Amino acid sequence: DAGVIQSPRHEVTEMGQEVTLRCKPISGHNSLFWYRQTMMRGLELLIYFNNNVPIDDSGMPEDRFSAKMPNASFSTLKIQPSEPRDSAVYFCASRPNRAGNQPQHFGDGTRLSIL
Amino acid sequence: DAKTTQPNSMESNEEEPVHLPCNHSTISGTDYIHWYRQLPSQGPEYVIHGLTSNVNNRMASLAIAEDRKSSTLILHRATLRDAAVYYCILRANSNSGYALNFGKGTSLLVTP
Repeated sequence: DAGVIQSPRHEVTEMGQEVTLRCKPISGHNSLFWYRQTMMRGLELLIYFNNNVPIDDSGMPEDRFSAKMPNASFSTLKIQPSEPRDSAVYFCASRPNRAGNQPQHFGDGTRLSIL
Repeated sequence: DAKTTQPNSMESNEEEPVHLPCNHSTISGTDYIHWYRQLPSQGPEYVIHGLTSNVNNRMASLAIAEDRKSSTLILHRATLRDAAVYYCILRANSNSGYALNFGKGTSLLVTP
């Protein structure tokens, strides 16, 4: 089975540019999460979708960040304008349903560097 | 959310058993105990989870104390591929759909 697929794997861009990260969850999973990982803060939740609807976006740092899930098989995380402090590894994860004991499946992440 | 406490790092010899401890003294009665690991340059990977009883799967065993205030992840025979950061996690805020609250985890070094 294909796992969670993220693209691109690496992104290097200049400050002020728009960045779009993409995620394809596992087919049949109806919960999707975006996480960010930095050395200083570790892994932290940005936003959670259930059945394509954003349920909790309290972890989104500021208005420069936005996330969408137009259908069950695709989600994007957009940063506009990007800043050097946004440099991090961004992970997408999906889960079969809302039950708290269901494991999450993570993609390999997008390593983002803002110069 | 209930918090977990893990040692920052541990070291093991290859093919030896490894016991990774986790303290969670403020765990609630409905919190599941999850373990994930993160290999270098990869996303976190589910290892095992449990509620009250000990659990076994092909990757590891999870031993849960009778009072549930601590648990131990057991790798029966460590290999070099088991070198990773291991996270012990309890259920997070239900508004976040039981998102995972990763702490700093335990960095496991496996030596030949």
